[in-house]
Amino acid sequence: QSALTQPPSASGSPGQSVTISCTGTSSDVGAYNYVSWYQQHPGKAPKLMISEVTKRPSGVPDRFSGSKSGNTASLTVSGLQAEDEADYYCSSYAGSNNFVVFGGGTKLTVL
Amino acid sequence: QVQLQESGPGLVKPSETLSLTCAVSGYSISSGYYWGWIRQPPGKGLEWIASIYHSGTTYYNPSLKSRVTISVDTSKDQFSLRLSSVTAADTAMYYCARLYGGEYADYWGQGTLVTVSS
Repeated sequence: QSALTQPPSASGSPGQSVTISCTGTSSDVGAYNYVSWYQQHPGKAPKLMISEVTKRPSGVPDRFSGSKSGNTASLTVSGLQAEDEADYYCSSYAGSNNFVVFGGGTKLTVL
Repeated sequence: QVQLQESGPGLVKPSETLSLTCAVSGYSISSGYYWGWIRQPPGKGLEWIASIYHSGTTYYNPSLKSRVTISVDTSKDQFSLRLSSVTAADTAMYYCARLYGGEYADYWGQGTLVTVSS
């Protein structure tokens, strides 16, 4: 069982918006503003899409945005495109003992 | 451009020790950052294994701590993972990564599949 809880699947039509949640605890997501999101296409390594809850690395489209409220973080993909279809994983810093914890992943399908 | 490349045996026998090395190019490990290993069993999610600071300070996943050793060789710009007493449950794609501030992985290797089987 993963430390962070994500829905196993999400979907939307091209052009629509979809939001993926990531629920942790007061020891990880709720304690630190170090939630990140990764996109993983089949057979590829994960790619950083969001860091520190809301920051987009260079090259990531502004259609991707992150937020956090309490122990739950969210990734929103606006203006869905076919290439957004992938698995998405959240992670959070969890202190010096647990360090980094991941969610179980969400498969995003573009209908 | 920072690049990471994993290397090591693709097949390990049960009860033996898995050993992997990650070679870093485009950046000097001694300059800073945390460096870590993350794995992904076939068809499953990601699991952080261990991280090491460039100075040598180590951090381990509590669930794997008794079997894992991470080390760094700054002279060769590489870091390594050893996982002892492996079982079939350790079969996974193993990724090495640079961890910004220790909190998120901004650069990843392409991954290396390790299968535990006799």
